Amino acid sequence: QVQLQESGPGLVRASETLSLTCSVSGYSISTAYYWGWVRQPPGKGLEWIGIIFRTGNTYYNPSLKSRVTISLDTSKNQFSLNLISVTAADTAVYYCTRDDTFGGLIVSKFDYWGQGMLVTVSS
Amino acid sequence: QSVLTQPPSVSAAPGQKVTISCSGSSSNIGNNYVSWYQQLPGTAPKLLIYQNNLRPSGIPDRFSGSKSGTSATLGITGLQTGDEADYYCATWDTSLSAGVFGGGTKLTVL
Repeated sequence: QVQLQESGPGLVRASETLSLTCSVSGYSISTAYYWGWVRQPPGKGLEWIGIIFRTGNTYYNPSLKSRVTISLDTSKNQFSLNLISVTAADTAVYYCTRDDTFGGLIVSKFDYWGQGMLVTVSS
Repeated sequence: QSVLTQPPSVSAAPGQKVTISCSGSSSNIGNNYVSWYQQLPGTAPKLLIYQNNLRPSGIPDRFSGSKSGTSATLGITGLQTGDEADYYCATWDTSLSAGVFGGGTKLTVL
């Protein structure tokens, strides 16, 4: 059974860096699939942040691209999210998730999700 | 504003059928697969439909998906009070080289 679990600080000061880690069990992230992050501001909808493949190939939301980095640590079977220069608008529940491909296409099939982690940006 | 457009809310009585639309463009829905997610209050989203009309194991056949041109539709039959949730469509956008979600639709079972 594949399981994902987010971890990291729940409170980050404005202008600093938000750093979260997703620990994966039940599947080796170096085998296949894309691994990514989705966030949800309180009371609002889902926002796609970005994904990373086992090769290190990444795709990011254009609106966040200048501030976001997703990386892999295959030795720990983890992947991470770094978001720099945060503001109150970055306050959200952050989910890590697994995405699939079909015929070489990314299909936005998020079949496994972490439970989510609320990160609050304080001024 | 989301790249994909969904109605903010829909409602129907128990036992009835409801559809939720998701409208996009040729750079996203028109040329990529669509998936649908159910989010119950306080929980992570759950995959309902992938590759336009396929259901993961464990998802009842009351849930169905379809796609035509640049729009997709989620159908739910035999509505139950437990179906009250937020529903999101998602796809890949080739022009953005990024994934996109719809704004979400709140389903109320009256």
